[in-house]
Amino acid sequence: AQSVTQLDSHVSVSEGTPVLLRCNYSSSYSPSLFWYVQHPNKGLQLLLKYTSAATLVKGINGFEAEFKKSETSFHLTKPSAHMSDAAEYFCVVSLSDSGYALNFGKGTSLLVTP
Amino acid sequence: DAGVIQSPRHEVTEMGQEVTLRCKPISGHNSLFWYRQTMMRGLELLIYFNNNVPIDDSGMPEDRFSAKMPNASFSTLKIQPSEPRDSAVYFCASSDPSGWITEAFFGQGTRLTVV
Repeated sequence: AQSVTQLDSHVSVSEGTPVLLRCNYSSSYSPSLFWYVQHPNKGLQLLLKYTSAATLVKGINGFEAEFKKSETSFHLTKPSAHMSDAAEYFCVVSLSDSGYALNFGKGTSLLVTP
Repeated sequence: DAGVIQSPRHEVTEMGQEVTLRCKPISGHNSLFWYRQTMMRGLELLIYFNNNVPIDDSGMPEDRFSAKMPNASFSTLKIQPSEPRDSAVYFCASSDPSGWITEAFFGQGTRLTVV
């Protein structure tokens, strides 16, 4: 069964410092992985997706994630946090045996302080 | 395209009442998903449809919940009778699984409060 584990429920960074949100996946084969972001009282927006064409994936708003098969990880990073990055971030795996429904991690709440 | 459209955005109802949530997927997408989000359980997949046919409803909490997709452009999620523990944000999402990587596009959600 495919699943993801987000290692931190809350992360706090100062504006202008790097962001690291950690995610490990469990899959019996090469997974389809995504990061989604949810701002307060908003819907879910796709940040980036892993296509297996490249292990380093660039997304919107300066975010990127690196797929590391040896570590079964897909951590999300950003070099410099902005106040507007404060949101809930979800690591997601696609369940290819379930019509490509998405299986969400528990989420990481990112707080950005001035 | 306007994206996935859900209605209503907010619903407040009394326990025991019937509640119907509506979703219009992105045109051309033939997979549709209903998710529920709560603080305790996070985002849970309730049911998904492919080409208007329910494929997996194992996530539907109980018989009080039902979902239909009468055509490619409309789906409903019904709760009858509603209970306070059904209070949550319900999201509809659609995707086009003919592509290689099948991300889902989400609506803005319906915030349901059962009092």
